[in-house]
Amino acid sequence: ETGVTQSPTHLIKTRGQQVTLRCSSQSGHNTVSWYQQALGQGPQFIFQYYREEENGRGNFPPRFSGLQFPNYSSELNVNALELDDSALYLCASSRWGDSYEQYFGPGTRLTVT
Amino acid sequence: AQSVTQPDIHITVSEGASLELRCNYSYGATPYLFWYVQSPGQGLQLLLKYFSGDTLVQGIKGFEAEFKRSQSSFNLRKPSVHWSDAAEYFCAVQPRTASKLTFGTGTRLQVTL
Repeated sequence: ETGVTQSPTHLIKTRGQQVTLRCSSQSGHNTVSWYQQALGQGPQFIFQYYREEENGRGNFPPRFSGLQFPNYSSELNVNALELDDSALYLCASSRWGDSYEQYFGPGTRLTVT
Repeated sequence: AQSVTQPDIHITVSEGASLELRCNYSYGATPYLFWYVQSPGQGLQLLLKYFSGDTLVQGIKGFEAEFKRSQSSFNLRKPSVHWSDAAEYFCAVQPRTASKLTFGTGTRLQVTL
């Protein structure tokens, strides 16, 4: 059984640029959630995708957007990067209706300079 | 809105000593409850979860947690800590109708030899 994978591992971007992070869900999972973890903080829920549509969103501005593909993989896009976007971005997959237990990937470390 | 409080930011214990990490939550109904562990620069690993039933739940690596509804608490315990347990520990809650986790700010565990 393949776990959740994320790419890239690390990324450095400049303020104002755009970034795309990728996530492959665990085999058999059809729901993907994204979390932002700033240094020294707990993860914060960004949004969730199910059946290729956004299904719930946390307190993040519209410049944070996402996609889910037919194979259940997902992308997180962030436009107009700000210094405060520097964080570890975690992807989690789950099976809709199956106790909602989420399995996390190793994360992508984004640094905005 | 739901919230999770982990009152201890940093705890130091000696190897072989017992451990208890505190977690209190605020939520309208009994949510699903989780404990995750995160090693430096890594993603989140699920230690244990409570959905219903027996209020004492067993997890991996010798950890257990007790759900106390009257105190809105879900404290994590381990009878004898190993040096490899040094990490950041996060308590999290999730509504029973959606897979959106709300995390506490974490407790950093240091283990002295």
